[in-house]
Amino acid sequence: QSALTQPASVSGSPGQSITISCTGTSSDVGGHKHVSWYQQHPGKAPKLMIFDVSDRPSGVSNRFSGSKSGNTASLTISGLQAEDEADYYCSSYSSSTTLYVFGTGTKVTVL
Amino acid sequence: QVQLVQSGGEVKKPGASVKVSCKASGYTFSSYGISWVRQAPGQGLEWMGWISTDNGNTNYAQKFPGRVTMTTDISTSTAYMELRSLRSDDTAMYYCTRGGRDGYNFWYWGQGTLVTVSS
Repeated sequence: QSALTQPASVSGSPGQSITISCTGTSSDVGGHKHVSWYQQHPGKAPKLMIFDVSDRPSGVSNRFSGSKSGNTASLTISGLQAEDEADYYCSSYSSSTTLYVFGTGTKVTVL
Repeated sequence: QVQLVQSGGEVKKPGASVKVSCKASGYTFSSYGISWVRQAPGQGLEWMGWISTDNGNTNYAQKFPGRVTMTTDISTSTAYMELRSLRSDDTAMYYCTRGGRDGYNFWYWGQGTLVTVSS
């Protein structure tokens, strides 16, 4: 089971919007609604930001939004802020022998 | 509130075994399965497997054939992950996680346990 493909890095200026892609297959991203996104600051455990493609847990800013088209999911961060600088990982439930697969990770830099 | 508290860091020699614990609180332990996720230094997240805290059923990633065992102790609300025949590339932070109300995704995370494999 290969990891989902994400861009290694994405950057933007404060206030701008950025989008991170997450490409998988019809066995994972394209075939299931359980696609999620995680934010990880250095030395910290990951934090759930988006679940089931586009839902936000309570307490997560509405500047974070998710979507999916075919085998590719996307995370958009609007109104970029310095605190958004972190690593971001997507994950998907999978109908292969591995229940879950993670993305390769994207480092977001706020310029 | 849901909390997952993991055991402390470990240093092991190649070929040894390690057993990491994850004590849950703030919810009914047997109602949600536990997944284990690891992260090598500077690398991404890797799902290792899942255990049902209700009946002990497991699903392990194919990457760890015969090397990983996940168990639970309902009496203490604790999940365990044992990794055997350790290699240097098993050096990583190991996290236990819990799903949401429907059991899916990774809503709650332990603080992580650093396992270092070095001769």
